[in-house]
Amino acid sequence: LAKTTQPISMDSYEGQEVNITCSHNNIATNDYITWYQQFPSQGPRFIIQGYKTKVTNEVASLFIPADRKSSTLSLPRVSLSDTAVYYCLVGDEPSDMRFGAGTRLTVKP
Amino acid sequence: GAVVSQHPSRVICKSGTSVKIECRSLDFQATTMFWYRQFPKKSLMLMATSNEGSKATYEQGVEKDKFLINHASLTLSTLTVTSAHPEDSSFYICSARRTQHDEQYFGPGTRLTVT
Repeated sequence: LAKTTQPISMDSYEGQEVNITCSHNNIATNDYITWYQQFPSQGPRFIIQGYKTKVTNEVASLFIPADRKSSTLSLPRVSLSDTAVYYCLVGDEPSDMRFGAGTRLTVKP
Repeated sequence: GAVVSQHPSRVICKSGTSVKIECRSLDFQATTMFWYRQFPKKSLMLMATSNEGSKATYEQGVEKDKFLINHASLTLSTLTVTSAHPEDSSFYICSARRTQHDEQYFGPGTRLTVT
């Protein structure tokens, strides 16, 4: 099981771009990288998933270097409602993925 | 998108009683469902994986006789906490997926409080 390491917390201001980096040094060949967002007392919500290079959707971008030992979730122009905990998961199957401590993002006005 | 519901959203029960939590995939058939537990300010911990029509696979340290999981149909899985104790108070979250390499869709969670 690939272990992930993220910053415990980050602060930002409305309108700024936020980049959250996750380290996963022992990622396996078949593993994908998935990011989730969780608000208090709610289930996690899928943000983005990637295998290599760059993936972009309507809410975020995911940058993955060639060695795949890390990944960066980029949230453009955050708002107060983006305050949440963000989890990086690595694995081929959900049963192989483990939620780490996550990164608690606080967006300030 | 795929929607997963849980019922109830919160439940309070007395110590020693059992409580059942339902997880439903509303607009898709889920071949696999997952059950997680989350304590306050902590991360989600996978408890078990259940495939429709077969026995659940429990993670190490999770008592299968205490946390009974049934996945009798492609849209419903239930978690029964038997003989609940205050230390079982937690936020229980399920997720579901359609096929092996599909993403998992999470339910809104169930807050269990055992008094």
